[in-house]
Amino acid sequence: GAVVSQHPSRVICKSGTSVKIECRSLDFQATTMFWYRQFPKKSLMLMATSNEGSKATYEQGVEKDKFLINHASLTLSTLTVTSAHPEDSSFYICSATSGDSRETQYFGPGTRLLVL
Amino acid sequence: GQNIDQPTEMTATEGAIVQINCTYQTSGFNGLFWYQQHAGEAPTFLSYNVLDGLEEKGRFSSFLSRSKGYSYLLLKELQMKDSASYLCAAMDSNYQLIWGAGTKLIIKP
Repeated sequence: GAVVSQHPSRVICKSGTSVKIECRSLDFQATTMFWYRQFPKKSLMLMATSNEGSKATYEQGVEKDKFLINHASLTLSTLTVTSAHPEDSSFYICSATSGDSRETQYFGPGTRLLVL
Repeated sequence: GQNIDQPTEMTATEGAIVQINCTYQTSGFNGLFWYQQHAGEAPTFLSYNVLDGLEEKGRFSSFLSRSKGYSYLLLKELQMKDSASYLCAAMDSNYQLIWGAGTKLIIKP
């Protein structure tokens, strides 16, 4: 089956620093990748949708200058949390599909970010 | 290795009951999630079980047996809008999510 990995699995950083999270599709070409944030009540909030080679589409309320997304290749997307603050602490999950958003999404294991 | 299994597709009739099964093998266990995902939309959280037993939320119920590595999602009084993919995900000892491939549920009138 399709496998999506994320790195790192967990990261602790100081307030004001930037953190990069990688999302990779291991055995398929991911035309579209999605970045989600999981909130304490378990709901997943879609942050942005990225297509290989083009700018990401951010959901309303998500700061694009704060959460930088790069989808430079068909197997890799990165999310950089810039100038991280404690309120950015969360569980970030990516998913990938070989088609568009209506195709089956394969989810990564998530990255737990703690900002001190 | 870590693994989640759930059926690829199920079909049911409007007004009926359907049970979607999920079996998991993980390194440690910190709970099991069920999400509903309509095509083109973000997943919606349905349930989280970490203790054995059945939890009911309206038309949806979720069951967990930790000793058997087994969970199911029960949908009652099916409506056409319940046609969606249902994702099962287990959280391991490192708080990483292991996702099933999803079960596509088709509801027929």
